[in-house]
Amino acid sequence: EAQVTQNPRYLITVTGKKLTVTCSQNMNHEYMSWYRQDPGLGLRQIYYSMNVEVTDKGDVPEGYKVSRKEKRNFPLILESPSPNQTSLYFCASSTLANTGELFFGEGSRLTVL
Amino acid sequence: GENVEQHPSTLSVQEGDSAVIKCTYSDSASNYFPWYKQELGKRPQLIIDIRSNVGEKKDQRIAVTLNKTAKHFSLHITETQPEDSAVYFCAALYNQGGKLIFGQGTELSVKP
Repeated sequence: EAQVTQNPRYLITVTGKKLTVTCSQNMNHEYMSWYRQDPGLGLRQIYYSMNVEVTDKGDVPEGYKVSRKEKRNFPLILESPSPNQTSLYFCASSTLANTGELFFGEGSRLTVL
Repeated sequence: GENVEQHPSTLSVQEGDSAVIKCTYSDSASNYFPWYKQELGKRPQLIIDIRSNVGEKKDQRIAVTLNKTAKHFSLHITETQPEDSAVYFCAALYNQGGKLIFGQGTELSVKP
């Protein structure tokens, strides 16, 4: 089954404790992206990757890191989480950003205390 | 800069009525404008998209129109049904295909 898988789905952590949210897709998509969703603000892009070893900043990259060492994986790293990073996070992938449907993962709800 | 404005933020209609959601985009958007539907507690899913070489696209009860001169595009849902109740997001593609910028979302409520 074609899918984008995120883990963990739910996480409560404390300020400053490094965490990684994994994202994996099995559709051989070149493009992958991370979004955060907050009430009233819609979906804001954090980082995106057009292909392996190619990453770029979205609208709200501060406090986040990503890597794209393999085509299927695109982890989101919070080196020192803060309460303002409490949010619902979505990973998504597509064949090409400008021609293809964006497939979203189920979301990861992160709470930083 | 890169920006997509979406209105209204909430919309309530009676079953069977039409619903229209409008988005405007800033200058540097490229040629791809999708719409996503997000049901409560679920992930966003593409419902329709349009490219700038066409002015209108229809898929059953859903249509999207694009006015490049005015830099706005709209989602039209006819004969609304309770299952159309969801949050709808418009988006525009920037940065030569890398940045897909979403609007703030419209919460549509269809009352039976």
